[in-house]
Amino acid sequence: AQKITQTQPGMFVQEKEAVTLDCTYDTSDPSYGLFWYKQPSSGEMIFLIYQGSYDQQNATEGRYSLNFQKARKSANLVISASQLGDSAMYFCAMTTYNQGGKLIFGQGTELSVKP
Amino acid sequence: NAGVTQTPKFRVLKTGQSMTLLCAQDMNHEYMYWYRQDPGMGLRLIHYSVGEGTTAKGEVPDGYNVSRLKKQNFLLGLESAAPSQTSVYFCASSYSVRGLQETQYFGPGTRLLVL
Repeated sequence: AQKITQTQPGMFVQEKEAVTLDCTYDTSDPSYGLFWYKQPSSGEMIFLIYQGSYDQQNATEGRYSLNFQKARKSANLVISASQLGDSAMYFCAMTTYNQGGKLIFGQGTELSVKP
Repeated sequence: NAGVTQTPKFRVLKTGQSMTLLCAQDMNHEYMYWYRQDPGMGLRLIHYSVGEGTTAKGEVPDGYNVSRLKKQNFLLGLESAAPSQTSVYFCASSYSVRGLQETQYFGPGTRLLVL
């Protein structure tokens, strides 16, 4: 069975510093995709970044990068130069080829950025 | 281009009442999903649809029914609401899953309280 684990319920970071949010996953399917979503206090789910299991390089999108360590089955999100607007819940999610696009979500990490 | 919209935004029901949540998307997406989000948890898939006229069960389908009569609309029904169905409901849509990198776009959510 597929599973996503986020072990950090809450994180604090100083404004302008970098922060890493942890995500580990479990699947026996060799073909899978990993997503990160941001959920601000307003409630909407915002897509941030994607990493495919066969991608050779770590994904990057602006200030977001994904530290993909396939052997360790981890897909950590790195946010550089944190901003106050980064304060939100962050969810890691996975889909596999056999799941046909259905997403499995972790429990989320609440990030608070301090001025 | 409104993206994914959900109606209503908030609803209070009494135990045993029924209601229908409406999801609409204007991106011509084939796939549509209904998730629920409970406090302290990630999203869990209730039902999904891979095209007009087709639906399938997700992780937590009990107590819900769905219909996809039109490509742009995906309805979630509660026939006899229970307090355990108090949650935030999210609809999402995506292009057909030819590969794994098919980002799901989410609606703003519907807050449901069952008394």
